[in-house]
This record gives sequence, C-alpha cells and structure tokens, in this order.
Amino acid sequence: EPEVTQTPSHQVTQMGQEVILRCVPISNHLYFYWYRQILGQKVEFLVSFYNNEISEKSEIFDDQFSVERPDGSNFTLKIRSTKLEDSAMYFCAITFRGGTDTQYFGPGTRLTVL
Amino acid sequence: AQRVTQPEKLLSVFKGAPVELKCNYSYSGSPELFWYVQYSRQRLQLLLRHISRESIKGFTADLNKGETSFHLKKPFAQEEDSAMYYCAPVNQAGTALIFGKGTTLSVSS
Repeated sequence: EPEVTQTPSHQVTQMGQEVILRCVPISNHLYFYWYRQILGQKVEFLVSFYNNEISEKSEIFDDQFSVERPDGSNFTLKIRSTKLEDSAMYFCAITFRGGTDTQYFGPGTRLTVL
Repeated sequence: AQRVTQPEKLLSVFKGAPVELKCNYSYSGSPELFWYVQYSRQRLQLLLRHISRESIKGFTADLNKGETSFHLKKPFAQEEDSAMYYCAPVNQAGTALIFGKGTTLSVSS
C-alpha cells in the first residue's frame, strides 16, 4: 500500500490567518484529493487535482482555498484567511488511476482555528 | 443530489455474532462502491471494493441495484473489528468519493 504522509499533524491558528497543509506521497501518483471531516460529521470531498490542475472541486472549496504541487512531490492545501468553521481534520488521498480507483489516505491534519 | 445513507450511528454486538452494516445510495446506474474502515487512531483504509468481489477480514458486501444498497456483512464478529466503517461510492462523475456518516462497530466479549 502506498504511503502518504501529512504535515503538520496538528495546526492551531488564529482566525484570519493563512495555513498551509502538506501532503507527501511516497511514490509517483498523478491523482490527488483533499477531504475534510468536521468533528462529529462525515468526511466531505474538497478538491481533486490531476496533471497539475484542479479537476473537480466541491462547493466547500471556495476562493479561500487553493491547492498546488509546488515542487513535484508535496501537494498543498492553502486556506488564505481561516474561519472558525474551518476547524476540522483534513485528509489527503492519492490514487493511481483516477477517482474510481482505490484511494489511499494520509493520517490527516487536525486544524484548530481559534 | 447524490447521497449515501448509513442509518446506524453505532452498532454494538458480542464477539461471534453476525454483523450487518447498512448502506444505501441515492443515485442510479452502476457506481463504483467502497467500504473504508478507520481503526482507533489510524488512517482511513480500504476494507473492500465492489468490483474486486474480495472478502477482506471476513467481510463481504453485495450490491443490490434494485434497493440501491451495499450492505457490509460478516458472519462472526471479532473484537478487532471494532472501528468506524464508512460506505463510500464514487460520485457519478467518477472523480471523488462520497462518504456516508459512518457506523461505529463495537464488538465486545
């Protein structure tokens, strides 16, 4: 099973601050995903990323969010101006062959916005 | 809207008892369907997928297109099966997973 790491494991930030969450897959993958899970709620899709561009995004993924793969390995999720309701677990996932393929998840980053 | 329903938030059974975790999805066609599991303090991991028809850790899931269900079953639950289970079909665009709210399975001796 391909390994996916995420950093940091826990991020605490003040409302209005920018945060960058990182995902590092330990192998070459083309398809990347971000999901989030607000405490007590279900896992929700945010965005998928293929061939260095967004392939799909949910209504949650508004202008405050952005993704990029700056150095060909790390895959980042940036939240420009955090809000209290952004507090959640954020999961990165990867696949070999697109959305119908098995998704391999990272351990998650817990974001706490104060 | 595409929806996934897992009606039981918590399912408690005794070791050796049969288990069925229910999942219903709202859209037609032949979606690719997955069950993911999350053990305590661990990441989401694939338990099984419909297309492979494998039995993993004794679990099986049968797709019922008429009822749009993909219930997860195991004939004899083990304590190590205690975890959070998520039903997750792929959306109709084939681009992302849609997760149910999850069912916590608790197996006690």
